[in-house]
Amino acid sequence: DTAVSQTPKYLVTQMGNDKSIKCEQNLGHDTMYWYKQDSKKFLKIMFSYNNKELIINETVPNRFSPKSPDKAHLNLHINSLELGDSAVYFCASSQQGTGVGLGEAFFGQGTRLTVV
Amino acid sequence: SQKIEQNSEALNIQEGKTATLTCNYTNYSPAYLQWYRQDPGRGPVFLLLIRENEKEKRKERLKVTFDTTLKQSLFHITASQPADSATYLCALRLLFGSGTKLNVKP
Repeated sequence: DTAVSQTPKYLVTQMGNDKSIKCEQNLGHDTMYWYKQDSKKFLKIMFSYNNKELIINETVPNRFSPKSPDKAHLNLHINSLELGDSAVYFCASSQQGTGVGLGEAFFGQGTRLTVV
Repeated sequence: SQKIEQNSEALNIQEGKTATLTCNYTNYSPAYLQWYRQDPGRGPVFLLLIRENEKEKRKERLKVTFDTTLKQSLFHITASQPADSATYLCALRLLFGSGTKLNVKP
């Protein structure tokens, strides 16, 4: 059983399109995250949700909108895709309670987004 | 602003030796620090978490130290093996360092 699963694993799309990446965790964790890893392999936090509520929203363009229908799911919708959005996007989850931080986080296998 | 630095972009060592990776941070008072391993094409995998009141933590061949005065953590892999070759990342709160790529040569 995969603890944190993301779909799709690969996504190739044209500039200007809208796309979504789905994430599900079966660990019963209360906090989920989206990270972006660029071509230099630097992992950058985008969003953090705790119990379906957005608690962290780093300086991410408004074109990126996370949605958490329940504690086990955190989806990422991207509007009007740009070339610079090409990267690997990772979903993660952890049991945080009220603390802020990653804790012992479990990551998905990543979604490689290529915008052409 | 808060900053995390992993000094070496890459570290090459011979099998059997101890690998030591460094993580330095500024403008933080972290309650804990973590280390992750990332293999190519995969997500980071959690290895160890050390709290501010812990000087050292061990797990099998791994050892982490945490010096809040120096604002530094050291990550050691003893008796290194080629299978230990990967990128190792330190993390504070939600921020990751840039990682150190470890190459263990047979």
